[in-house]
Amino acid sequence: RKEVEQDPGPFNVPEGATVAFNCTYSNSASQSFFWYRQDCRKEPKLLMSVYSSGNEDGRFTAQLNRASQYISLLIRDSKLSDSATYLCVARQGGKLIFGQGTELSVKP
Amino acid sequence: SAVISQKPSRDICQRGTSLTIQCQVDSQVTMMFWYRQQPGQSLTLIATANQGSEATYESGFVIDKFPISRPNLTFSTLTVSNMSPEDSSIYLCSVDAASGSTWDTQYFGPGTRLTVL
Repeated sequence: RKEVEQDPGPFNVPEGATVAFNCTYSNSASQSFFWYRQDCRKEPKLLMSVYSSGNEDGRFTAQLNRASQYISLLIRDSKLSDSATYLCVARQGGKLIFGQGTELSVKP
Repeated sequence: SAVISQKPSRDICQRGTSLTIQCQVDSQVTMMFWYRQQPGQSLTLIATANQGSEATYESGFVIDKFPISRPNLTFSTLTVSNMSPEDSSIYLCSVDAASGSTWDTQYFGPGTRLTVL
């Protein structure tokens, strides 16, 4: 079993749609969690950290449920520019554990 | 955020040869990390490089295959030795965003795209 598992993709949605990504992690020792975005042929870039209280950044909302070992990312009013691969990441000590990524394609 | 550069950005190499990838950061950092991203896959940590000590390798990665140098607090190199086509990947270095606490995220360099023929 992978340490961090994400919804298989790709997600193909129209502009303006709301998209939800789900992620689970298996190691309860994981200390912190992040969502990264990776554009084609580019390096991953931090989208947002994920806190147990939930956090929001504009159209993006992230949630963490430690009891269920579950992480989510909600994108509202999706834009064409949101098209990318979204990576769920858990941190264990100095090490980042990446999920396999979920590809999002937003169409006009 | 830290600015990270890598050289080369891409290379095509013959099997059996070795390639050294350089990673330069614009500020001093304690730890530098090397990741591999195989085609269609996500990132996997190869090793953690601390200045002044030997790198710490993850399961499945060994020093003979991926020797790492860390001569100072802003620079590291990763060598991919005796390459085979299975080594074709993107190799990325990263650093902690700030203090290196477990709450920190990491910033990534632009990656080195390696193709082995």
